[in-house]
Amino acid sequence: AQKVTQAQTEISVVEKEDVTLDCVYETRDTTYYLFWYKQPPSGELVFLIRRNSFDEQNEISGRYSWNFQKSTSSFNFTITASQVVDSAVYFCALSEGGYGQNFVFGPGTRLSVLP
Amino acid sequence: NAGVTQTPKFQVLKTGQSMTLQCAQDMNHEYMSWYRQDPGMGLRLIHYSVGAGITDQGEVPNGYNVSRSTTEDFPLRLLSAAPSQTSVYFCASSTSGAGELFFGEGSRLTVL
Repeated sequence: AQKVTQAQTEISVVEKEDVTLDCVYETRDTTYYLFWYKQPPSGELVFLIRRNSFDEQNEISGRYSWNFQKSTSSFNFTITASQVVDSAVYFCALSEGGYGQNFVFGPGTRLSVLP
Repeated sequence: NAGVTQTPKFQVLKTGQSMTLQCAQDMNHEYMSWYRQDPGMGLRLIHYSVGAGITDQGEVPNGYNVSRSTTEDFPLRLLSAAPSQTSVYFCASSTSGAGELFFGEGSRLTVL
């Protein structure tokens, strides 16, 4: 069965610090997809990234970067030079694809960036 | 661009009452789904649909019904609300089973 673990329940950092959010997943499939979503205090869910299991290249988008390591079943998310606007709950999710819709979300990590 | 629209945004029910959460999308997505969000548990899949006329259960389907008569609409029905159904509900759509989920703004339901 698929599972996503986000061991960090809450993280607090001071503005401009770098912060890494951990995501560990479990799946038996060789083809799967990993996602990160952001939920700011306003409550909406914002898509950040989708990565398939065959693409282990790390990705950088502005201050955001993602480190995908199949060997450790991890898909970690780093925010460089954090800002107050980064304060949110971040969810990691896994989908094994195939027929149907079988997304599994982690419990989320609440990030607070203090000024 | 409306995207995914959910109504109502807030609702208070008494135990045993019924209600329907509405969800509509204008992106012509085949896949639609309902999730509930509870503190510390992330989002859990309630029901999903891979196209008009086709629905299936997710992880936590008990107490909820769905139907998909059109590509655009995917309502979620609570037939007899229970306090355990107090939650925030999100509707989502996507182009495929593993595609990016486009979420509605959420509906906060309180069952007294």
